[in-house]
Amino acid sequence: QQKVQQSPESLSVPEGGMASLNCTSSDRNFQYFWWYRQHSGEGPKALMSIFSDGDKKEGRFTAHLNKASLHVSLHIRDSQPSDSALYFCAAPSSNYNVLYFGSGTKLTVEP
Amino acid sequence: EAAVTQSPRNKVAVTGGKVTLSCNQTNNHNNMYWYRQDTGHGLRLIHYSYGAGSTEKGDIPDGYKASRPSQENFSLILELATPSQTSVYFCASGGDRVEQYFGPGTRLTVL
Repeated sequence: QQKVQQSPESLSVPEGGMASLNCTSSDRNFQYFWWYRQHSGEGPKALMSIFSDGDKKEGRFTAHLNKASLHVSLHIRDSQPSDSALYFCAAPSSNYNVLYFGSGTKLTVEP
Repeated sequence: EAAVTQSPRNKVAVTGGKVTLSCNQTNNHNNMYWYRQDTGHGLRLIHYSYGAGSTEKGDIPDGYKASRPSQENFSLILELATPSQTSVYFCASGGDRVEQYFGPGTRLTVL
């Protein structure tokens, strides 16, 4: 069983809309989470990390973490066609050297 | 910016043949990783390394070997390639508690 589960598998939003991606963990030892983005034909690239409960905002991207429920979400406001990509949630192992990735959410932003 | 390169970018191999995938990083990161990416499974960790001379098994090491001859280079070796190893392989580098930087990937087809 994967340690990190993501939903939905795919998501379509109109240009300018809000995209919301979800991630839950089965391991209460996870101390923080990463969000990565992968455009077609490229390697994944880190978007942001979140360590503390609550919101963390970077531009149009906001991550929200609730450690009690082991849930982290990513919200993209004013979505652009260039945001169309595969988004991964990831959490580190106890020694912080290994990342466990979810299976990803495919986001399509329609012009 | 951190740089990770992979070679070859595309590879076609025959069943039972030996395949070596190479990765080079110029980030001076201690940790390096090999993942495979398949639809529905996200990124799965095959092998990783904490530094030159070290290799560790990840979640799916069977059928794969790894070699870390130097800080910069990390290879993934398929001694007897099988069609089930057809996939996209990503190499990444990272320090402790920081993001991982991914290469552009190698598409491997085993016939």
